[in-house]
Amino acid sequence: QVQLVESGGGVVQPGTSLRLSCAASGFAFSSYGIHWVRQAPGKGPEWVAVISDDGSYKNYADTVKGRTTISRDNSKNTLFLQLNSLRAEDTAVYYCVKAREKYFESWGQGTLVTVSS
Amino acid sequence: DIQMTQSPSSVSASVGDRVTITCRANQGISTSLAWYQQSPGKAPKLLIYAASNLQSGVPSRFSGSGSGTDFSLTITSLQPEDFATYFCQQGKSFPLTFGGGTKVEI
Repeated sequence: QVQLVESGGGVVQPGTSLRLSCAASGFAFSSYGIHWVRQAPGKGPEWVAVISDDGSYKNYADTVKGRTTISRDNSKNTLFLQLNSLRAEDTAVYYCVKAREKYFESWGQGTLVTVSS
Repeated sequence: DIQMTQSPSSVSASVGDRVTITCRANQGISTSLAWYQQSPGKAPKLLIYAASNLQSGVPSRFSGSGSGTDFSLTITSLQPEDFATYFCQQGKSFPLTFGGGTKVEI
C-alpha cells in the first residue's frame, strides 16, 4: 500500500530555514508527480508546490515562491521541501501527497512546522 | 487564481440523513473538481475526483455531480464515521485551490 512519511518539522525562529523530507514506499515513486500541501491550525488545506515524476517540472504557490525549493531523489524514493526565510504564517502541518492528475490521491501523516520567536 | 466557495460552512445532521454540500468556482473549471473528507487530527482523504468519479475504496453513499462552476457532494444515509469536514478542490489550473470547508456535525 502507498505510504508517505514526512519528517523534518519542528519549532524554528522567523527568518530561518528548514528542510522537510518525505519517504515514499508501496508504489512506483519515479512514475508520479508529488505535491506538498500545508494546513495551518484550524484552516483548510493550501497547495504549496508540485514536482513532476522526473523532476523536470516544478510549480509553487505565490505565498512560498522565491523562498521554497521542491526536489526529489528517485534513487531513494524521497521528496524534499526546502523552506527559507520562514514567517509566522508558514506555521502549518506539511503533507506530501501523491498526485492523481491535479488531485491529491494519497497523503502522508504530515509534519508540523511552527515558526515562532 | 480560481476561487472556490463552499456552502454551507456547517450542517447539522443525524445518522441516516441525506446531506448535500455545494461548491462554486468563480470561473468555469469543466469537471476538474475533487472532494475530500477530513476527520480531526487526520490527513484529508480523496473521495471524488473529476467531479463525479468515486475514488477506489470509497463507499457508494458518496456521490458528486456538476460541471462548469457549480458542483455538489451528496452523502446518502449518513453514517457515524461521516461526521467530518469536507473540502472541494479545483484541478483545472495552478495554483490548485480549495474551498473553505463544510463541517458535518450532529
